[in-house]
Amino acid sequence: GAVVSQHPSWVICKSGTSVKIECRSLDFQATTMFWYRQFPKQSLMLMATSNEGSKATYEQGVEKDKFLINHASLTLSTLTVTSAHPEDSSFYICSALPRDPFFEQYFGPGTRLTVT
Amino acid sequence: DAKTTQPTSMDCAEGRAANLPCNHSTISGNEYVYWYRQIHSQGPQYIIHGLKNNETNEMASLIITEDRKSSTLILPHATLRDTAVYYCIVKQETSGSRLTFGEGTQLTVNP
Repeated sequence: GAVVSQHPSWVICKSGTSVKIECRSLDFQATTMFWYRQFPKQSLMLMATSNEGSKATYEQGVEKDKFLINHASLTLSTLTVTSAHPEDSSFYICSALPRDPFFEQYFGPGTRLTVT
Repeated sequence: DAKTTQPTSMDCAEGRAANLPCNHSTISGNEYVYWYRQIHSQGPQYIIHGLKNNETNEMASLIITEDRKSSTLILPHATLRDTAVYYCIVKQETSGSRLTFGEGTQLTVNP
């Protein structure tokens, strides 16, 4: 089956610093990747959609200058949280849509970010 | 995409069938019903999807009513590892369309 990995699985950073999260599709090419955020006891909220080779599309209310997304290849997308604050602490999950004619998104295991 | 309504929580005994309902009364003709689940602190996992016919795979069965206004996900023999939040999502089956997660149903399988 299709596998999506995320790195790191958890990270602790100090307020004001930046942290990068990687999302990789391991055995398929993904023209589209999605980034979600999930706060405790809440559902997943879509942050942005990234397409390989083009700028990401951000959902309303998500600051594009704070959450930098780069989809440099068909197997890698990165999310950089810049100038992190404690309120950015959350579970960040990516998903990838295979390039082949499948229609199910495959999700990564998530990255737990804690900003102190 | 059409809105879905699910119970907040359900309990099921281990080994018994778990039947998770979902209402989607505003579903349109080209929208599919998708089910995902999320085990605690993990990414969501695709389970099954369908348009109007009942579907079955190795994980579950999906029963869609004839008017398509509701559906039921059936886990035939629930195990403790099936404890998770189950999300019913309605969307068009077009490549690239995003998933909108509701609150889902917390299924707890009890020993």
